[in-house]
Amino acid sequence: KQEVTQIPAALSVPEGENLVLNCSFTDSAIYNLQWFRQDPGKGLTSLLLIQSSQREQTSGRLNASLDKSSGRSTLYIAASQPGDSATYLCAVKGKGNKLVFGAGTILRVKS
Amino acid sequence: DAGVIQSPRHEVTEMGQEVTLRCKPISGHNSLFWYRQTMMRGLELLIYFNNNVPIDDSGMPEDRFSAKMPNASFSTLKIQPSEPRDSAVYFCASSSGTDAMELFFGEGSRLTVL
Repeated sequence: KQEVTQIPAALSVPEGENLVLNCSFTDSAIYNLQWFRQDPGKGLTSLLLIQSSQREQTSGRLNASLDKSSGRSTLYIAASQPGDSATYLCAVKGKGNKLVFGAGTILRVKS
Repeated sequence: DAGVIQSPRHEVTEMGQEVTLRCKPISGHNSLFWYRQTMMRGLELLIYFNNNVPIDDSGMPEDRFSAKMPNASFSTLKIQPSEPRDSAVYFCASSSGTDAMELFFGEGSRLTVL
């Protein structure tokens, strides 16, 4: 059974810092990995999608990497801003079209 | 595109009452997913449909829960009778169907069962 772990559970940083969120998964037989952002009381917004054949994806200040063999992904946020404060969720899609989520990292960027 | 649309956004009901949550997927998407989110258990997949057919309902907690997708643009998740432990945010999501495709979520329906 696929298990997804995110570290750290919470992170508080001053504005302007570069930061890394970590995601690990137990079964490397995945189709893709997706990073989401969730604001309080809101739904999930897709940030980046990495296919199993890819190593990384970039969107603006966000960069996500995938090392399928070791079961790891990182989300790198450059020059963090208070507006980046949210919960970041990692999810992997494997057999049966199922997306399995981690518990998330709660990020707070202080101004 | 309007995205995935869910209703109601908030529902407060009493234990024993029937609850029906609704979802309209993104037009053209042929896979639809129902998730439940709680503080204790995070996001859990309840059921998903492909081309309106339920493919995997192993996440449905018990017989009190049922889901239907009568056509490509509408799905319902019903809880009957509801219990306080069903209180959660229920999300609907859709994708264009193949295993590698991106998932798009609705804003969720927050259910409180008193």
